[in-house]
Amino acid sequence: DQQVKQNSPSLSVQEGRISILNCDYTNSMFDYFLWYKKYPAEGPTFLISISSIKDKNEDGRFTVFLNKSAKHLSLHIVPSQPGDSAVYFCAASVWGGSQGNLIFGKGTKLSVKP
Amino acid sequence: NAGVTQTPKFQVLKTGQSMTLQCAQDMNHNSMYWYRQDPGMGLRLIYYSASEGTTDKGEVPNGYNVSRLNKREFSLRLESAAPSQTSVYFCASSDMTGDGTDTQYFGPGTRLTVL
Repeated sequence: DQQVKQNSPSLSVQEGRISILNCDYTNSMFDYFLWYKKYPAEGPTFLISISSIKDKNEDGRFTVFLNKSAKHLSLHIVPSQPGDSAVYFCAASVWGGSQGNLIFGKGTKLSVKP
Repeated sequence: NAGVTQTPKFQVLKTGQSMTLQCAQDMNHNSMYWYRQDPGMGLRLIYYSASEGTTDKGEVPNGYNVSRLNKREFSLRLESAAPSQTSVYFCASSDMTGDGTDTQYFGPGTRLTVL
């Protein structure tokens, strides 16, 4: 059973509009969440993170929102650019917990059309 | 600063052959990880090393062995490759920050095909 779920395998957005990528988790012990971005034939690169003591974290065009009661987080990209086209992975862990317990979702492929 | 490097980039093996995937990081990180990614799947942890001299199993360790050669290097060995091990393998490293967060940084991957 998946502890981190990204239920949309793909998302298509027009350039300049908002992209919203969603992630749900089942383990209430998770308290640190990360988003990674992955281009084809490259390794994932860290994008943004949030701890459970916050409900929002912003970095430029990227904002992550956390709703602990719903066990849901989302990544907003505004405005979307063609270079944002990639696969986005949500990941979760226990803050300060044992090493190696970063759990990844299956990813959402974002396509931003010019 | 190369970050995390992996060799080789591509490899084709026959069933039963052995090989070692190499990984090195130059960020002075204590922890290193090996993941595999299969089509339509997220990254699944094979083994990790919290610090030099220690290794632990992840979610999918069967068929693999690891060696933490020193602080910089962490290798993954397939003793007898099977077609089910066809995958893209990613190495990552991380260090615990002062606030307890642990961001992992990934290498470019090794695409392995076992025939």
